[in-house]
Amino acid sequence: QVQLVQSGAEVKKPGSSVKVSCKASGGTLRNYAIIWVRQAPGQGLEWMGGIIPMFGKVNYAQKFQGRVTLTTDESTNTAYMELSSLRFEDTAVYYCASGMGSYWGQGTLVTVSS
Amino acid sequence: EIVMTQTPLSLSVTPGQPASISCKSSQTLLHSDGKTYLYWFLQKPGQSPQLLIYEVSNRFSGVPDRFSGSGSGTDFTLKISRVEAEDVGIYYCMQSIQPPLFTFGPGTKVDIK
Repeated sequence: QVQLVQSGAEVKKPGSSVKVSCKASGGTLRNYAIIWVRQAPGQGLEWMGGIIPMFGKVNYAQKFQGRVTLTTDESTNTAYMELSSLRFEDTAVYYCASGMGSYWGQGTLVTVSS
Repeated sequence: EIVMTQTPLSLSVTPGQPASISCKSSQTLLHSDGKTYLYWFLQKPGQSPQLLIYEVSNRFSGVPDRFSGSGSGTDFTLKISRVEAEDVGIYYCMQSIQPPLFTFGPGTKVDIK
């Protein structure tokens, strides 16, 4: 059973960047598509992008193109999501998921505040 | 870009009664491999989403058999045969015909009368 553990909550200033990690145990991330999803307060799930390490394939939602970067580190079995040029409206809980949604991280709250 | 819609957006159900949620996609989710890549998730209050149904009608491990999925092409349905108190939350459909490119529906909030 794969478990995904995400990094802790972050408070960032507008214009800065945040990098959220997602460490897998009980399985290798390489074999699965890893997606990143965010949920603004009181809102629904929003797909940000996904990466398939085995094929080196990455897709980003058009809304986040140019601001989001997804990477993986196979040596530590960890996936990363970096979001730059943060705005107040980027305040949300950010989730990683793998195995076509079979496994989810616990979520990371990113608060953008001046 | 594939757009997912759900109806209704909210549902109030008496315990023990059935519930049904519809999900439509703007393009067929039938892949050339013969599989249809439509999934259902439930997000309970304060929790991460959890997978209920994969590839239209397959229950994920541990999901009670009161949950069932059906449909084809662009029209799909999630049914709960007898709603229980623990089923409250927001239900999302999701497509993944071109991984890792996914799209979620807007969600259907289910609560208990």
